[in-house]
Amino acid sequence: TQLLEQSPQFLSIQEGENLTVYCNSSSVFSSLQWYRQEPGEGPVLLVTVVTGGEVKKLKRLTFQFGDARKDSSLHITAAQTGDTGLYLCAGAFPVVGGAQKLVFGQGTRLTINP
Amino acid sequence: ETGVTQTPRHLVMGMTNKKSLKCEQHLGHNAMYWYKQSAKKPLELMFVYNFKEQTENNSVPSRFSPECPNSSHLFLHLHTLQPEDSALYLCASSRGRYNEKLFFGSGTQLSVL
Repeated sequence: TQLLEQSPQFLSIQEGENLTVYCNSSSVFSSLQWYRQEPGEGPVLLVTVVTGGEVKKLKRLTFQFGDARKDSSLHITAAQTGDTGLYLCAGAFPVVGGAQKLVFGQGTRLTINP
Repeated sequence: ETGVTQTPRHLVMGMTNKKSLKCEQHLGHNAMYWYKQSAKKPLELMFVYNFKEQTENNSVPSRFSPECPNSSHLFLHLHTLQPEDSALYLCASSRGRYNEKLFFGSGTQLSVL
């Protein structure tokens, strides 16, 4: 079973605090993607990490891919109310015939309080 | 606007009805996907199409029948659904290679009565 465990599932913090969301699996992925989803909309990609140990930064967001390509983390520095949303990690597997199979974690519902 | 359009946005149907969900992408992508998002489960992959050919069926019940007439259009035909099939159905597209980002539509919120 290709299962991605995301934690925490819910997180409510004050503006200005730091936070980390974790995404763990026993499977090895060809890449790991992080998405953010707003109410009433589909998920939108934040970042893709491909190489084991890779670190990518997107303003105040830092994404890391584990050395073994089985886990990832998302760290937000000095959270802002605009960071509120559902954050989803997704592990990618190639599919015979092309394209890919993207398996999602349960999501982390983040609330940043003013 | 992601370039992926889903209609209808909301659908209420009885268990004996037949309805169809439509997805259209204007991005020139080759791969299209159906996902199901329930309140208490992760996003579940249902089907993958690449160049109009189905490459993945994630053990989806036969009451869900996908159709991909060309690389720009994807349908999900629904018949004799159950109340537990109520969920947000999301369509996505990608260029069709590995490690590619998915572009999602806004979804169809389906309620089965």
